[in-house]
Amino acid sequence: KAGVTQTPRYLIKTRGQQVTLSCSPISGHRSVSWYQQTPGQGLQFLFEYFSETQRNKGNFPGRFSGRQFSNSRSEMNVSTLELGDSALYLCASSSRPVAGARTDTQYFGPGTRLTVL
Amino acid sequence: AQSVAQPEDQVNVAEGNPLTVKCTYSVSGNPYLFWYVQYPNRGLQFLLKYITGDNLVKGSYGFEAEFNKSQTSFHLKKPSALVSDSALYFCAVRDIEGQNFVFGPGTRLSVLP
Repeated sequence: KAGVTQTPRYLIKTRGQQVTLSCSPISGHRSVSWYQQTPGQGLQFLFEYFSETQRNKGNFPGRFSGRQFSNSRSEMNVSTLELGDSALYLCASSSRPVAGARTDTQYFGPGTRLTVL
Repeated sequence: AQSVAQPEDQVNVAEGNPLTVKCTYSVSGNPYLFWYVQYPNRGLQFLLKYITGDNLVKGSYGFEAEFNKSQTSFHLKKPSALVSDSALYFCAVRDIEGQNFVFGPGTRLSVLP
């Protein structure tokens, strides 16, 4: 079974631009969560989608948004990029919503490394 | 709110020696605990999890972890370290009320040949 895939793997943008990252979950998984990983802050939860609905949201500004399609693929968008948005963005999938299935394992993709210049 | 601590930023161990990566947690109620490993320029790979039952959990690549409720710890162990085990290790926790995974800051393991 194919794992979680993320595209693109690397992105370079300039301040003020916007960016869209894509995530395809493991086949059959309907929950997709997004995380930001930086050396200073570690892994921080952005949001989770299940069945095209946002189930939970972390403490990030409104510039960070996402959506999920009927095939469970998810996109994350960051508008008006700032230097501090440079990070590895990780997507994780699980079969059930995170809040409703506390024992389920999340499986991670390889990440998209975003550099903002 | 739940939290996870990994008290060591870096752990160095010689190849062939046993390794331990420490994790302590704080949750309300029973915890659900996870270990992940991250290799350079890769995502997180699931190693093992504790849900209930036996306090010693066996996982991938020869790793195991011991759940200790009284010490609120979930240390990752391996009897004999390999150079290829060198990576960044994350402990994560969820509690009964938890909406999300909460990850520790990570511990960098270096296995020296």
